[in-house]
Amino acid sequence: DAKTTQPPSMDCAEGRAANLPCNHSTISGNEYVYWYRQIHSQGPQYIIHGLKNNETNEMASLIITEDRKSSTLILPHATLRDTAVYYCIVSDSNYQLIWGAGTKLIIKP
Amino acid sequence: DTGVSQNPRHKITKRGQNVTFRCDPISEHNRLYWYRQTLGQGPEFLTYFQNEAQLEKSRLLSDRFSAERPKGSFSTLEIQRTEQGDSAMYLCASSKWTGDYLRDKTQYFGPGTRLLVL
Repeated sequence: DAKTTQPPSMDCAEGRAANLPCNHSTISGNEYVYWYRQIHSQGPQYIIHGLKNNETNEMASLIITEDRKSSTLILPHATLRDTAVYYCIVSDSNYQLIWGAGTKLIIKP
Repeated sequence: DTGVSQNPRHKITKRGQNVTFRCDPISEHNRLYWYRQTLGQGPEFLTYFQNEAQLEKSRLLSDRFSAERPKGSFSTLEIQRTEQGDSAMYLCASSKWTGDYLRDKTQYFGPGTRLLVL
């Protein structure tokens, strides 16, 4: 079973920041949090990952709470092309990625 | 393009036929993964290789499925005697494993092969 919990769907207005939450209350100390997204009929695309500290790259920012039990992916200026399913993933004890159903993010004009 | 590639992108076959898919990982990546994804679900892990060794197989991988990575580079996934329930997207991913569990294990995915069994 997936080790993360995400809302099934969210809407966001174009140009606004999209904040996608994820709960991973059973995460252990050496497990990373990964975010991927999947645009319809394409392979998953890596977005960002983190261990303890907040991370930022050209696509997004990842905010991880101090207790590491939850995180938020932030797309700072959402565009219509950001409409996708977003997956928050924590690895299992064998360092394999266990995927849930993700959050379907719809960016509205 | 130095990303993960998969061929074919689409495959339609009749029930009972055998099919084979190919995955070419990112060149310096030593780990290669196969996943299956059905509509509305996240990818489900099938198996993975480290170099040419197949290190783990999911219980989803029935005896009709076989995967190989003979020279530690490209991999093939074969499904024998296909069934309609095998219809899905088959995804391949690769990563660079250094042996240090504290290092990140980011997997990079190919575009997938969509299989339809009639």
